[in-house]
Amino acid sequence: QQQVKQSPQSLIVQKGGISIINCAYENTAFDYFPWYQQFPGKGPALLIAIRPDVSEKKEGRFTISFNKSAKQFSLHIMDSQPGDSATYFCAAYHRGAQKLVFGQGTRLTINP
Amino acid sequence: NAGVTQTPKFQVLKTGQSMTLQCAQDMNHNSMYWYRQDPGMGLRLIYYSASEGTTDKGEVPNGYNVSRLNKREFSLRLESAAPSQTSVYFCASRELLIPDGYTFGSGTRLTVV
Repeated sequence: QQQVKQSPQSLIVQKGGISIINCAYENTAFDYFPWYQQFPGKGPALLIAIRPDVSEKKEGRFTISFNKSAKQFSLHIMDSQPGDSATYFCAAYHRGAQKLVFGQGTRLTINP
Repeated sequence: NAGVTQTPKFQVLKTGQSMTLQCAQDMNHNSMYWYRQDPGMGLRLIYYSASEGTTDKGEVPNGYNVSRLNKREFSLRLESAAPSQTSVYFCASRELLIPDGYTFGSGTRLTVV
């Protein structure tokens, strides 16, 4: 049972465009929502994260939008660059269970 | 360099063979985790160790065993490998109660034929 659903599975964006990846969850016990970036041959690395009491968080070209009532959150990458080509995972953290649950992943390709 | 070290990086096993994946961290973290990554499935938790001396099952524990050897090391054992265990395995560690403190190793790519 996938507790965090992520879409799309793959995404191709032109350089300079906006990349958008969406995630949805069901369990209201999740209380922290990080995004991880993974390059080929490497492990995932924390990119940006948000708490549910905030609707948006921006770090450089990366923005998380969070809709608590809809139980959805998304990652926006502005001015996408070829170096952003990677696999992106959304995740949800259950503080009580001390566990991190991942979405299915999105393979992002930025064409030059 | 500080971080999580996994060995081996690649391994091919025959069905029924056994092997142990090794993981060591040098950040003095209390908690350690084993995940497997499969296309379209994301990362799924196999086993974790919240602190030295404890281990617990994750989402997909069947066919695996773990040992928390000491605070630094957490190994994953496949007693009788099956083709369904072909995957990329990631070890991670973090300090307890810090939700964004996960540090992942570079992974072990395992193929079972």
